[in-house]
Amino acid sequence: KAGVTQTPRYLIKTRGQQVTLSCSPISGHRSVSWYQQTPGQGLQFLFEYFSETQRNKGNFPGRFSGRQFSNSRSEMNVSTLELGDSALYLCASSLAQGFEQYFGPGTRLTVT
Amino acid sequence: AQSVTQPDIHITVSEGASLELRCNYSYGATPYLFWYVQSPGQGLQLLLKYFSGDTLVQGIKGFEAEFKRSQSSFNLRKPSVHWSDAAEYFCAVGDNFGNEKLTFGTGTRLTIIP
Repeated sequence: KAGVTQTPRYLIKTRGQQVTLSCSPISGHRSVSWYQQTPGQGLQFLFEYFSETQRNKGNFPGRFSGRQFSNSRSEMNVSTLELGDSALYLCASSLAQGFEQYFGPGTRLTVT
Repeated sequence: AQSVTQPDIHITVSEGASLELRCNYSYGATPYLFWYVQSPGQGLQLLLKYFSGDTLVQGIKGFEAEFKRSQSSFNLRKPSVHWSDAAEYFCAVGDNFGNEKLTFGTGTRLTIIP
């Protein structure tokens, strides 16, 4: 069974631009979560989607948003990029509530 | 709020030696506990998990972890490390009320010397 896939793997953007990252969960998994990983803040939870509904949200500004499609694929969007948004963005999927999460390889976003 | 502490930022062990990585958590009820490993530039790979039941859990790659409620700990162990075990290790806690949010520790970087 294929793992979690994320596209693109690397991205370079300029301050003020917006970016959309994509995540395809493991087949059959309905929950998708997003995390931001930086050297200073570590791994931080962004949000989680289940059946196209956002169930949980972390402490990030409204510039960070996401959505989930009927096939469970998810996208996250960051508008008005700031230098501090440079990070590895990780997507994870799980079968449902209470099951372990499996992570994708991440998208490395660099904001210049 | 739940939290995870990994007191060791960096550990160096010799190949073939035993390993123990420490993890302490703060959570009001019985938590879901996880250990993940991350190689440079990669995502996180699940090593093992504890949800309930037997407090000693076995994972992949020869790792095991023991849940000790009295000490709020979930330490990761391996009897004999291999050079390929060099990576960063993260302990994480999730709540057991359906919240899919994982709270991670700051990680322990493991270096293996020949």
